Amino acid sequence: AQTVTQSQPEMSVQEAETVTLSCTYDTSESDYYLFWYKQPPSRQMILVIRQEAYKQQNATENRFSVNFQKAAKSFSLKISDSQLGDAAMYFCAYLWGAQKLVFGQGTRLTINP
Amino acid sequence: GAGVSQSPRYKVAKRGQDVALRCDPISGHVSLFWYQQALGQGPEFLTYFQNEAQLDKSGLPSDRFFAERPEGSVSTLKIQRTQQEDSAVYLCASSSTRTETQYFGPGTRLLVL
Repeated sequence: AQTVTQSQPEMSVQEAETVTLSCTYDTSESDYYLFWYKQPPSRQMILVIRQEAYKQQNATENRFSVNFQKAAKSFSLKISDSQLGDAAMYFCAYLWGAQKLVFGQGTRLTINP
Repeated sequence: GAGVSQSPRYKVAKRGQDVALRCDPISGHVSLFWYQQALGQGPEFLTYFQNEAQLDKSGLPSDRFFAERPEGSVSTLKIQRTQQEDSAVYLCASSSTRTETQYFGPGTRLLVL
């Protein structure tokens, strides 16, 4: 079965600094999709960024970018110029069987003013 | 619609009661998913619909859990004879196709006393 591992239960960063959240996954598939979702205290799961495994170029969305290392099965999220509104739980997820998402345990990100 | 909606947002049930949780997906979205999120954990897959067909129910924890989507739009997750271990947040997500990004609703927090 596919598994997703987030080894950092908690991270903190100073406002305006850069932080990187780690994620590794295990799969035997060659084509798949990876996601980072953000879940603030309101519980709404919000898409941050999406990566398609067949694309070698790392996805970028404004201040959010990923470092996708397919051979190493690593998918880290970099947040630049951290803002107070970035504080949330961040979940890495793998789309398995082209239908169900498998989530990691999450990383709680705190932004220090 | 503007987004995925779920109702009720909060539900308190006495052990042994039946509950019904509703999900309204984004208009036109073919695929609908239910996930269960225990406190401090990542969401776990319960079941998946493509239109009105339930294509995967491998994540339903017991035969007390039942989901339906009779007209291919609104879905209901029903839990019969609720137990304390059913206490969790139940998230609904929809996507335009099965490989596209899943967009989540705000969730229903169920507390079984």
